[in-house]
Amino acid sequence: KQEVTQIPAALSVPEGENLVLNCSFTDSAIYNLQWFRQDPGKGLTSLLLIQSSQREQTSGRLNASLDKSSGRSTLYIAASQPGDSATYLCAVEGGSYIPTFGRGTSLIVHP
Amino acid sequence: DAGITQSPRHKVTETGTPVTLRCHQTENHRYMYWYRQDPGHGLRLIHYSYGVKDTDKGEVSDGYSVSRSKTEDFLLTLESATSSQTSVYFCATRSGIRERGEQFFGPGTRLTVL
Repeated sequence: KQEVTQIPAALSVPEGENLVLNCSFTDSAIYNLQWFRQDPGKGLTSLLLIQSSQREQTSGRLNASLDKSSGRSTLYIAASQPGDSATYLCAVEGGSYIPTFGRGTSLIVHP
Repeated sequence: DAGITQSPRHKVTETGTPVTLRCHQTENHRYMYWYRQDPGHGLRLIHYSYGVKDTDKGEVSDGYSVSRSKTEDFLLTLESATSSQTSVYFCATRSGIRERGEQFFGPGTRLTVL
């Protein structure tokens, strides 16, 4: 059974820092990995999708990498801003089209 | 954004009453999902659908049923609501095929069972 772990569970940083969020998974036979953002009281917003054949994806200040062999993905946020404060979740999907989600990293960026 | 709406957005009901939550999508995605999100448990899959009239159970399906009579609509029914079903319910769809599939989420329904 696929298990997804996100470390750290919570993170508080000053504005302007570059930061890395981690996602690890136990079964490397995945189709893709997706990063989401969730603001309090809101639904999940898709940030980046990395297909199994890809190593990384970039969107603005966000960069996500995927290392299938080691079962790891990282989400890099450059020059963090208070507006980046949210919970970030990763999800991996295998051939069943049923994703497995991590519990998320709660990020606070303070001015 | 896959144009997913959920209704109602908030609902308070009493134990033992039936409740139906609706999910509507405008992108013609084949796969649709119902999740619940609770503190300490994260997101848990209730049921999912892989086509019209094709549905299957997730990890927490007891006490829930679903129906999908049209591509765009996926209904979640609590036959007899219990306090343990107080939660935030999210609908999601999946675009694309195989590795290119991406999930999109609706805004959620906050359900309180008294």
